Amino acid sequence: NAGVMQNPRHLVRRRGQEARLRCSPMKGHSHVYWYRQLPEEGLKFMVYLQKENIIDESGMPKERFSAEFPKEGPSILRIQQVVRGDSAAYFCASSQDSTVLRGYTFGSGTRLTVV
Amino acid sequence: QQQVKQSPQSLIVQKGGISIINCAYENTAFDYFPWYQQFPGKGPALLIAIRPDVSEKKEGRFTISFNKSAKQFSLHIMDSQPGDSATYFCAASRAVNSGGSNYKLTFGKGTLLTVNP
Repeated sequence: NAGVMQNPRHLVRRRGQEARLRCSPMKGHSHVYWYRQLPEEGLKFMVYLQKENIIDESGMPKERFSAEFPKEGPSILRIQQVVRGDSAAYFCASSQDSTVLRGYTFGSGTRLTVV
Repeated sequence: QQQVKQSPQSLIVQKGGISIINCAYENTAFDYFPWYQQFPGKGPALLIAIRPDVSEKKEGRFTISFNKSAKQFSLHIMDSQPGDSATYFCAASRAVNSGGSNYKLTFGKGTLLTVNP
């Protein structure tokens, strides 16, 4: 079991470009969560998805950010027209069920740098 | 607003000492309280967790103390070792839908623990 796989590990984008971050959950996990981490700010919830459904997107900025978790393939976090303030580590986590009682399993993150 | 408040922001402990990290919450809908450990360049990993119907849970050198009336919980690391040096996050879970079938975790801001040899 390879765990939660995120790619790329590091991503550099120029201002105005698009960033696509991918997350493959653990085998058997159908719930995916995206978090953003900034220094000294902890992990900020962005979006919670289940296959083909967005369960909670209350942490997603209203503009430029979108997420999907299709029936086949990884979950994608998409950031359009990136700005310097988007530079952060983005973590994906997955869980086996919706109750999180077994905890999340996190990936190693994608570190986005906007230049 | 910050739903889970964590302190201290950083902590330095000598090898063999006790590390204590505290968290407080306001929302009584939270019903599951895990702690995560994160090493540099890695994702957070579940360390230990507690439900509010118990006041303490111990796993090896790690203990969670939970005070439901005060809405506070803490992580104690006994006999702290240099290998414990990491960032620790407390978290709390609550349902995100009215049916209570989907939950998400809300995290504190983290505590950077340094254990000196």
